[in-house]
Parts: sequence; C-alpha cells; structure tokens
Amino acid sequence: DTGVSQNPRHKITKRGQNVTFRCDPISEHNRLYWYRQTLGQGPEFLTYFQNEAQLEKSRLLSDRFSAERPKGSFSTLEIQRTEQGDSAMYLCASGLTTGGSPKNIQYFGAGTRLSVL
Amino acid sequence: AQTVTQSQPEMSVQEAETVTLSCTYDTSESNYYLFWYKQPPSRQMILVIRQEAYKQQNATENRFSVNFQKAAKSFSLKISDSQLGDTAMYFCAFGGSQGNLIFGKGTKLSVKP
Repeated sequence: DTGVSQNPRHKITKRGQNVTFRCDPISEHNRLYWYRQTLGQGPEFLTYFQNEAQLEKSRLLSDRFSAERPKGSFSTLEIQRTEQGDSAMYLCASGLTTGGSPKNIQYFGAGTRLSVL
Repeated sequence: AQTVTQSQPEMSVQEAETVTLSCTYDTSESNYYLFWYKQPPSRQMILVIRQEAYKQQNATENRFSVNFQKAAKSFSLKISDSQLGDTAMYFCAFGGSQGNLIFGKGTKLSVKP
C-alpha cells in the first residue's frame, strides 16, 4: 500500500491553457474523489467515481472541468481554458465502499497545487 | 444541505497541555459519520478520528477523543498531552448518504514549546 499518489505536485500555467492532473488511488479502492481547496478554506467536493462510473458532480465542476477514470484505477482531472480563479490545491482521495455506506474512510493524496498566471 | 462550521480559525496550546477544537454541523440525515482530519503544513491530510452517529459512545484514539452531542449537532475534538507534531490545520468533516465529505473551514492549531 503506497498511498494515494498525485502528479504533478505543482503546476504553473498561463491563463487560457489546458492542464491535466493525475491521481493514482490506493489499489483495490473502488471510490475515487476529487476536491478543491483554496487558501484558508476546507476542501470542497468536485466529483467522485465508483469504479469507472462518475456518480456525482458538484455544481463547482463547470463545463471547463472534466474528470475520467477509464479503467477504474487512476483518474485524470482536466481543466480547459484555465482562469485565475482556478488557482487552488486539487486533492484526490480514495476509499473502499460497499453499499454506499457513508462510514468509509477517505485517504488523501498530497494534492496538486495549480497556479494560473 | 449539510453544513459544517468551525468557529475557531486559530488556536494555540502549550506543549503537554490539553486543547479542544469545536465543530458544529447541520443535517437532516439520521445515518452519518463525522471525522476530524489533520493537515500538517505542506503535507497531506490524514484521518485523526471517526465517529458513527448512531453510537452514543464517544470515539477515542490515543491522545485524541471527541465529545459528540447528537442533539446539539456538536462534535468537538480534544487533544491531550499536546505535542509539537500536533501543529497543523484541523478539519471537521461530515460524511452522509451522498458519499462525499463536507468540510469546515478548519482550525489552525499551534503547539508551543
């Protein structure tokens, strides 16, 4: 068990460019979550997958954001036409769930810090 | 909609002393879980403690314990014998039927030698 891995750790981009982040969850975890954390705030939910199915999307996830988990393992989060307001820490978490129980612990990665200039 | 409120933006405590962090939440669900996560500076978030709403007994994990008041929708974290390594942001989180976590804004805890 190597924990949740996120790459890159830091990303600096210019406004209008596209960026993609990758998350590798703990193996055998069937749920994968994306959160966004801005300075001085707690993480805010963006979306989550159960296996390869995207089950829930927050209204924070505008149409410039897209997430995939094609084989039910790693996931990517892409932001198109980045804006300065997209600057934040993007956190990935994974967990093992059965029957949709809320009890499951989510294990977090170290995050990808995005700076949009 | 569920909400989580942490009313203490910052707190400090002397090493070896005890400190309590506050958290209140609002929900109409009956089956849920509450969590405290710790986020050290520039490091990843880790789970400190978890409480199941249907259990009356307060959860404990070594030096960490909670005071769960379901009727009052209050979920405070007590850290005993504070250590320098406890310095971090602490987030209270609600986990309900939707599966995702809802976090408070956090409390920055500084443990002073």
